[in-house]
Amino acid sequence: SAVISQKPSRDICQRGTSLTIQCQVDSQVTMMFWYRQQPGQSLTLIATANQGSEATYESGFVIDKFPISRPNLTFSTLTVSNMSPEDSSIYLCSATTPPEQYFGPGTRLTVT
Amino acid sequence: QQQVKQSPQSLIVQKGGIPIINCAYENTAFDYFPWYQQFPGKGPALLIAIRPDVSEKKEGRFTISFNKSAKQFSLHIMDSQPGDSATYFCAARPDSNYQLIWGAGTKLIIKP
Repeated sequence: SAVISQKPSRDICQRGTSLTIQCQVDSQVTMMFWYRQQPGQSLTLIATANQGSEATYESGFVIDKFPISRPNLTFSTLTVSNMSPEDSSIYLCSATTPPEQYFGPGTRLTVT
Repeated sequence: QQQVKQSPQSLIVQKGGIPIINCAYENTAFDYFPWYQQFPGKGPALLIAIRPDVSEKKEGRFTISFNKSAKQFSLHIMDSQPGDSATYFCAARPDSNYQLIWGAGTKLIIKP
């Protein structure tokens, strides 16, 4: 299994600013992912964080808006850039120790 | 063909009853089918998972039933308790190198 922590757990930000969310896994993992979840909704994959190379983004998500880093096998960051109220959501970090996939506790972001 | 269809959207069951949540898929390449439990304000937690080579898997009070020919799988919760009240998500994927495809979620309430 893998234990995943995220920082911050929640934040309230002003529109136009950026927030970087950190994700730490307690063991080396093969794949790391970033998801967005609106309250009461299912999970939407933003991107796969690739170690040592550029992240792979899903349709509708772009690197300029959601830059991702993954400097090693246990850590990743997601930045939400130039935020607007539509970015208010829960952002979840996830990692796989095949075949299982585990999730962090999430970062609740509110943009005012 | 990449969808996983989950039903019902919400479910209310008396304590001790057996809630059943169903999922259906189209992609016959899927070979890993996990269920996640999510409490409010928390990340999804892996509950139980099954591969298509078995028809049933039990872990404690949670059972997955799998029907390969019908391309359906379901979660049963035996002797349900109020503490089981949560949102449950089914998912599927072809192998560990691919992202999970998520169901829409079922909000389960167990009445005391």
